[in-house]
Amino acid sequence: DAGITQSPRHKVTETGTPVTLRCHQTENHRYMYWYRQDPGHGLRLIHYSYGVKDTDKGEVSDGYSVSRSKTEDFLLTLESATSSQTSVYFCAISGRGAGGYEQYFGPGTRLTVT
Amino acid sequence: AQSVTQLGSHVSVSEGALVLLRCNYSSSVPPYLFWYVQYPNQGLQLLLKYTSAATLVKGINGFEAEFKKSETSFHLTKPSAHMSDAAEYFCAVSEGDTGRRALTFGSGTRLQVQP
Repeated sequence: DAGITQSPRHKVTETGTPVTLRCHQTENHRYMYWYRQDPGHGLRLIHYSYGVKDTDKGEVSDGYSVSRSKTEDFLLTLESATSSQTSVYFCAISGRGAGGYEQYFGPGTRLTVT
Repeated sequence: AQSVTQLGSHVSVSEGALVLLRCNYSSSVPPYLFWYVQYPNQGLQLLLKYTSAATLVKGINGFEAEFKKSETSFHLTKPSAHMSDAAEYFCAVSEGDTGRRALTFGSGTRLQVQP
């Protein structure tokens, strides 16, 4: 299994509070991604990073920010959590493998905003 | 823009029966295609991938998928279902070398295996 960990694994927070989720990899892969998973929507891209300090938005980036100060860590921040951000959040990493472009996923963080 | 359509949000088969999960895609670039499996309360695990080598791709746990360009399809099959195959399956297409290399996912198909 790819060395990807996410913390925390579960979190309950109140509306309006800031929340930071952490993704840590030991594979030294260049690309890192944050997705959210909601029933009926599959996984949707929030933000991604293509190198240290290099990040960009995905399709559902409103209300989220990210930071990547070193290769192994990619942080997702909800500045002011809302109930619509209740979801399961997955981090993924990608380095161009022999076939190319596949992504490996962390175990997920289940976030509940009350 | 890319998109993936998975026909059938729920599929139920009997143990030992053929499994067929459907995936159609659209892509403006030559696609890289993937199937992932997700067991309850776990992350996604790569089942198999198409990267323009062979059109019939074999993956883990006895699954395979065939890339059909004319039909823009990448259906997942397994000849004989096991109880342990019960999970949710996601088809995804990659943007490849175009910038983000992000994946676009279908909405998923939950496979139920009846004894």
